[in-house]
Amino acid sequence: NAGVMQNPRHLVRRRGQEARLRCSPMKGHSHVYWYRQLPEEGLKFMVYLQKENIIDESGMPKERFSAEFPKEGPSILRIQQVVRGDSAAYFCASSPRTTSEKLFFGSGTQLSVL
Amino acid sequence: QQQVKQSPQSLIVQKGGISIINCAYENTAFDYFPWYQQFPGKGPALLIAIRPDVSEKKEGRFTISFNKSAKQFSLHIMDSQPGDSATYFCAASRGRTTDSWGKLQFGAGTQVVVTP
Repeated sequence: NAGVMQNPRHLVRRRGQEARLRCSPMKGHSHVYWYRQLPEEGLKFMVYLQKENIIDESGMPKERFSAEFPKEGPSILRIQQVVRGDSAAYFCASSPRTTSEKLFFGSGTQLSVL
Repeated sequence: QQQVKQSPQSLIVQKGGISIINCAYENTAFDYFPWYQQFPGKGPALLIAIRPDVSEKKEGRFTISFNKSAKQFSLHIMDSQPGDSATYFCAASRGRTTDSWGKLQFGAGTQVVVTP
């Protein structure tokens, strides 16, 4: 059973471009969380999704950021018109059910904005 | 604001020694307190977790101590090994609310280096 798969591992974008980060949860997991990690800081919650639904997006910036988890395919975190401050490691985590209390994290996508 | 404060920022311990990492939280609604271990280039992995109805939980060489009145909890790594060298994060969430347990508030992390 493969773990949580994130791609790409590294993504370089110039200011103003769009970044699309993908996350395939573990098989059988229908709950996905996105976190952002800045250097020397802990992870910050961004958004919680279930299949086709956004459950909690309280940690996501109101502008330029969006997330989806379609019925088929991976979850996507999309950042439009990237700025240098968006440079960070973005981690996806999945869980099999609402009360699992065990998050399985992917290895992350390191976004660098030039 | 930082809802979970972690210290120290870094720690060097000799092989066989005890590593101690401390965390403090503000929100009394938190009722789920996990610790995560992260190696370079990898995502965090759950190490051990505790709920506030117990004061201590032990799994192998890892022990969580919890002080509800002080709003503090700590991780003790006994008989530290070079393979334990990693960054450790404490976290907290409102686990009893079904949709909130995965919305974790993380500490800033402690980089532990175990010397041979």
